[in-house]
Amino acid sequence: GQQLNQSPQSMFIQEGEDVSMNCTSSSIFNTWLWYKQDPGEGPVLLIALYKAGELTSNGRLTAQFGITRKDSFLNISASIPSDVGIYFCAGQDTSGTYKYIFGTGTRLKVLA
Amino acid sequence: DGGITQSPKYLFRKEGQNVTLSCEQNLNHDAMYWYRQDPGQGLRLIYYSQIVNDFQKGDIAEGYSVSREKKESFPLTVTSAQKNPTAFYLCASWGRNYGYTFGSGTRLTVV
Repeated sequence: GQQLNQSPQSMFIQEGEDVSMNCTSSSIFNTWLWYKQDPGEGPVLLIALYKAGELTSNGRLTAQFGITRKDSFLNISASIPSDVGIYFCAGQDTSGTYKYIFGTGTRLKVLA
Repeated sequence: DGGITQSPKYLFRKEGQNVTLSCEQNLNHDAMYWYRQDPGQGLRLIYYSQIVNDFQKGDIAEGYSVSREKKESFPLTVTSAQKNPTAFYLCASWGRNYGYTFGSGTRLTVV
């Protein structure tokens, strides 16, 4: 099945550093979503993007909907230990269904 | 509070048995989904339903079955035909209120 390419696959960073991750697709998407998953839990929505070029912030998180509609970026500023987890992007395809396609995830570890 | 409830949190199955995972939502969402997550992997779509009494296969539907008799409920049965069922299963729903929301997952282990 179709999946988004998400990179990097994993990151080890020092507390206080900024983090960037991105998702790319060969298909155009109408909506981009970014989620965080803690171990043994379901993903929790961080940011939703609905228009090409849109830039949205949620606290220390900032995400952008690429102008080509084929990519999206998530930045985390001044990382803290509780930022540890798996970050997923998801895109809603343009087929008219309510189906979302998920990236493979970026595993973030923060070193205190 | 509105949300999605998955049960049980942990489930153990003997080989050859069918098991059913529960998913209930009180968000008044029309669309519901089941995903499978393997260690170190992303989410793979098993089945989804956009409306009551209708559902479609996702990317990895073989060995699974679902029903959607009520808007609030979308149970997933893992049948004996699923050769490698040990995984973390996530249910989700979508609606204009609350957006795309996940349950807390069920971890299924074959013993």
